[in-house]
Amino acid sequence: GDSVTQMEGPVTLSEEAFLTINCTYTATGYPSLFWYVQYPGEGLQLLLKATKADDKGSNKGFEATYRKETTSFHLEKGSVQVSDSAVYFCALSDGGGSYIPTFGRGTSLIVHP
Amino acid sequence: GAVVSQHPSWVICKSGTSVKIECRSLDFQATTMFWYRQFPKQSLMLMATSNEGSKATYEQGVEKDKFLINHASLTLSTLTVTSAHPEDSSFYICSARETGNPYEQYFGPGTRLTVT
Repeated sequence: GDSVTQMEGPVTLSEEAFLTINCTYTATGYPSLFWYVQYPGEGLQLLLKATKADDKGSNKGFEATYRKETTSFHLEKGSVQVSDSAVYFCALSDGGGSYIPTFGRGTSLIVHP
Repeated sequence: GAVVSQHPSWVICKSGTSVKIECRSLDFQATTMFWYRQFPKQSLMLMATSNEGSKATYEQGVEKDKFLINHASLTLSTLTVTSAHPEDSSFYICSARETGNPYEQYFGPGTRLTVT
């Protein structure tokens, strides 16, 4: 079945550092890929998405590129802020008709001033 | 647009009682809503898919009689945890899919349930 693997956290960075959170997936067909962010005590918010190979999703300085050849969708940001501290979930939604996301386990990001 | 609300945001109840959680799509119609459960520092576990006007579809291992789901309108789904026990304490999150757009889900802010 479909699955998403994320790097384990927590990831701890200083403000203005470069961020990469790795995400790889296994899926049949051509899934859509997502990154969601969950701030403490809140639900998930869609951060960005990509629906086909080589698409780049971007939002709020975050980027991720759909790499079909490596089945990856790594999240990057050039300069993190303390306010980026949250849990980030990679997810995929298959094209088989259900469109129900499969989530990774989440990666906690802690940014220190 | 595409806002989903949940009520209450947190609730404390005693063992053996029931508690109802509401999920509303505020500015769109949602034929399908989903209920997830999230344990601390873990991913979301899909509990059930709720379709307006029909019975919910539960994931394997989820007790239908314990987690009652009702989706009576295109903007409201409810999850009732019956005869709650401390092990039911968790963060419950709903999401909604806009009618005609199967590609995205919009998530509510979650409900923290604590059973004492």
